[in-house]
Amino acid sequence: SQQGEEDPQALSIQEGENATMNCSYKTSINNLQWYRQNSGRGLVHLILIRSNEREKHSGRLRVTLDTSKKSSSLLITASRAADTASYFCATDGDTGGFKTIFGAGTRLFVKA
Amino acid sequence: DVKVTQSSRYLVKRTGEKVFLECVQDMDHENMFWYRQDPGLGLRLIYFSYDVKMKEKGDIPEGYSVSREKKERFSLILESASTNQTSMYLCASVGGIQGRKLFFGSGTQLSVL
Repeated sequence: SQQGEEDPQALSIQEGENATMNCSYKTSINNLQWYRQNSGRGLVHLILIRSNEREKHSGRLRVTLDTSKKSSSLLITASRAADTASYFCATDGDTGGFKTIFGAGTRLFVKA
Repeated sequence: DVKVTQSSRYLVKRTGEKVFLECVQDMDHENMFWYRQDPGLGLRLIYFSYDVKMKEKGDIPEGYSVSREKKERFSLILESASTNQTSMYLCASVGGIQGRKLFFGSGTQLSVL
């Protein structure tokens, strides 16, 4: 079962613009993570936000979490061509264990 | 840095063959995972393991089995490969001081002909 669903499925922007990706999930969570995947490679962890946090920053990344709406957003500011990748949200349920469920991802293309 | 190594980057097998995908991690993580990734479907969890000789089914375990004889190694087995198992397979591990952060291997692109 897919816990997280990203929106939009694909996004194309100009270099320097901001990119916003959204994620919705279905069940209660302990935390939510965002990962990045360059074409044909493994995923790389970007940021984790806990269920009791509302916003978190890391460099040009800003993540928000709204547990009442079961949604999160990832904002990449001042995007660069090197940000071109797929971005996935992933959730850990609050029932314990380490089962992490991923969404289908947003493909971001940043034009130079 | 944590390293997760998958034995093959590309693999081509025939229908009916038994296929082994190997994954090794070097950070003494307790938890290891196998996902498959297909276009438009994201990552789907096949199996995971939270300790040596322990395994749990994920969301799509049918047609797969796993083996975890040593802590650092988690193997995915396709008992009789079928064309619908053509996919990208990703191994990941998590544990220790890294908390819930998953570390992924580079993936194995498996083609079953």
